[in-house]
Amino acid sequence: AQSVAQPEDQVNVAEGNPLTVKCTYSVSGNPYLFWYVQYPNRGLQFLLKYITGDNLVKGSYGFEAEFNKSQTSFHLKKPSALVSDSALYFCAVGAGNMLTFGGGTRLMVKP
Amino acid sequence: NAGVTQTPKFRVLKTGQSMTLLCAQDMNHEYMYWYRQDPGMGLRLIHYSVGEGTTAKGEVPDGYNVSRLKKQNFLLGLESAAPSQTSVYFCASRRLAIWGTADYEQYFGPGTRLTVT
Repeated sequence: AQSVAQPEDQVNVAEGNPLTVKCTYSVSGNPYLFWYVQYPNRGLQFLLKYITGDNLVKGSYGFEAEFNKSQTSFHLKKPSALVSDSALYFCAVGAGNMLTFGGGTRLMVKP
Repeated sequence: NAGVTQTPKFRVLKTGQSMTLLCAQDMNHEYMYWYRQDPGMGLRLIHYSVGEGTTAKGEVPDGYNVSRLKKQNFLLGLESAAPSQTSVYFCASRRLAIWGTADYEQYFGPGTRLTVT
């Protein structure tokens, strides 16, 4: 069975600084990896996905993610954080008919 | 397009009461899902459906039932609510993946916050 780990419950970063939200996964076969964001009292919104190809995937709102097969990681990054990026971020792995989600990481960007 | 909608947005139940949560999507998606979200546990899959008239169990199906009588609707039922079912419930849908792709992207509704006392 597949699994996803997000080792940090919360990440704090100052506005303008780069940010990284970590994700590692376990799945048999090719990994299909996703990042979603959740703003308060809202549903999840798709940010980006890795299916195949380039290890650096670009997504919405200036986010990107780096796929590393040897480390089984799919870390979310952004070169310059905004206060409005503060939200809950979920990594997920797809297999069969389902997505399996990590526990989520709360990103706090301070002015 | 409204996307994925959920009703109600909030509900308070007493232990032992029953209720049905309704999810509707207007994107003609084949697949639909019900998740529950609890602090620190991410989203856990309750039940899902791969098409009209079909349902399957997810990770945490106990205490819930579902039905997919119409393609655009997916109902989640609690027959006898328990405090452990206090949670935020999300519905999601996705299209049928084209062979050779991994089109797993799911579209989420705004959620239903359920409290069982």
